[in-house]
Amino acid sequence: NAGVTQTPKFRILKIGQSMTLQCTQDMNHNYMYWYRQDPGMGLKLIYYSVGAGITDKGEVPNGYNVSRSTTEDFPLRLELAAPSQTSVYFCASFRGIQGTEAFFGQGTRLTVV
Amino acid sequence: QQQVKQSPQSLIVQKGGIPIINCAYENTAFDYFPWYQQFPGKGPALLIAIRPDVSEKKEGRFTISFNKSAKQFSLHIMDSQPGDSATYFCAASIQGAQKLVFGQGTRLTINP
Repeated sequence: NAGVTQTPKFRILKIGQSMTLQCTQDMNHNYMYWYRQDPGMGLKLIYYSVGAGITDKGEVPNGYNVSRSTTEDFPLRLELAAPSQTSVYFCASFRGIQGTEAFFGQGTRLTVV
Repeated sequence: QQQVKQSPQSLIVQKGGIPIINCAYENTAFDYFPWYQQFPGKGPALLIAIRPDVSEKKEGRFTISFNKSAKQFSLHIMDSQPGDSATYFCAASIQGAQKLVFGQGTRLTINP
């Protein structure tokens, strides 16, 4: 089973460029999340979705956009990259029943220069 | 109120020692407390979890201790091994909210 797959694994962007981080899961989970991980700061929730067509902001949504047209896919869009968006980004999915596991992808390391 | 505070930020222990990682929370509505383990270059993976109706949970060498009145919980690793070297995150969630709030993470190193 593939689980949660993120692409790309690494990316360098110039300030002002845009890109989409891809995330797909094959577990038929309703809940999907985007987190960013900065050293010493833990994992901060950017956006989440409770099902196709439904998204909501997390703690740190500024500078990002998401869409959820299918159960499987939850892409994260950076429109105007800034150095503050240099981070490791993790996508996760969750069946929606508390007490069960959230599955994470392997991450995308993004550097904005 | 949504924060979970984790300490220490980093920890070095000799093989066989018992590292302890602590977390504290403010929101009494939290009712599920998982710990995630992350190896370099990988995403976090669920290690062990506890609900506030019990004070302790053991799974193998890993134990969560929970103090509801103090709003604190901790992870203990018995007979630690170099393979336990990883970053550990505590987290909390509220039934129905389905969002995990993570602590800042602890980078644990077990020396041989």
